[in-house]
Amino acid sequence: AQSVTQLDSQVPVFEEAPVELRCNYSSSVSVYLFWYVQYPNQGLQLLLKYLSGSTLVESINGFEAEFNKSQTSFHLRKPSVHISDTAEYFCAVRSNNQGGKLIFGQGTELSVKP
Amino acid sequence: DAGVIQSPRHEVTEMGQEVTLRCKPISGHDYLFWYRQTMMRGLELLIYFNNNVPIDDSGMPEDRFSAKMPNASFSTLKIQPSEPRDSAVYFCASSFSRDSAEAFFGQGTRLTVV
Repeated sequence: AQSVTQLDSQVPVFEEAPVELRCNYSSSVSVYLFWYVQYPNQGLQLLLKYLSGSTLVESINGFEAEFNKSQTSFHLRKPSVHISDTAEYFCAVRSNNQGGKLIFGQGTELSVKP
Repeated sequence: DAGVIQSPRHEVTEMGQEVTLRCKPISGHDYLFWYRQTMMRGLELLIYFNNNVPIDDSGMPEDRFSAKMPNASFSTLKIQPSEPRDSAVYFCASSFSRDSAEAFFGQGTRLTVV
């Protein structure tokens, strides 16, 4: 069975500092990996996704994530965060031949302070 | 497309009452997911459908919960009778029928059972 573990429930950071949000997954088959962002009182929005090819994927607002198959990880990074990045971030996995099931981690609350 | 539409946005009901949450997926999407979000348990997958057929309902908490998808453009999640511990935000999401496809989320229904 597939599962997702986000190792940090809360990450406080100062503005303009770098940040890494960790995500590990468990699956016996090939996977597709996603990061979603949830702003207060809103639904989840896709931030970026890994399907195949280059292991480094980027979003339009400066976030990037690297797929590491040997470590079964898909950590999210940003070299310099803004106040507006304050939100909850969810890692998710969807596997080949698993009936389309989409599983999320517990979420990481990123709090950016001035 | 207006995206995934959920109604109502907020629901307050008394313990023991029946509650029905509604979802209209994005046109053309074959998958529909129901998730529940709480502080304690994060984002839980309750049930999902493919082409209107329930594929996996192992996440449904108990018999008080039921979900239907009578056609490709409508789904309901019903709780009968409701209990205070059912208080949560319920999200509906939909996607195309590819394992690599991302899911698009509705704004959620915030349910409070008093």
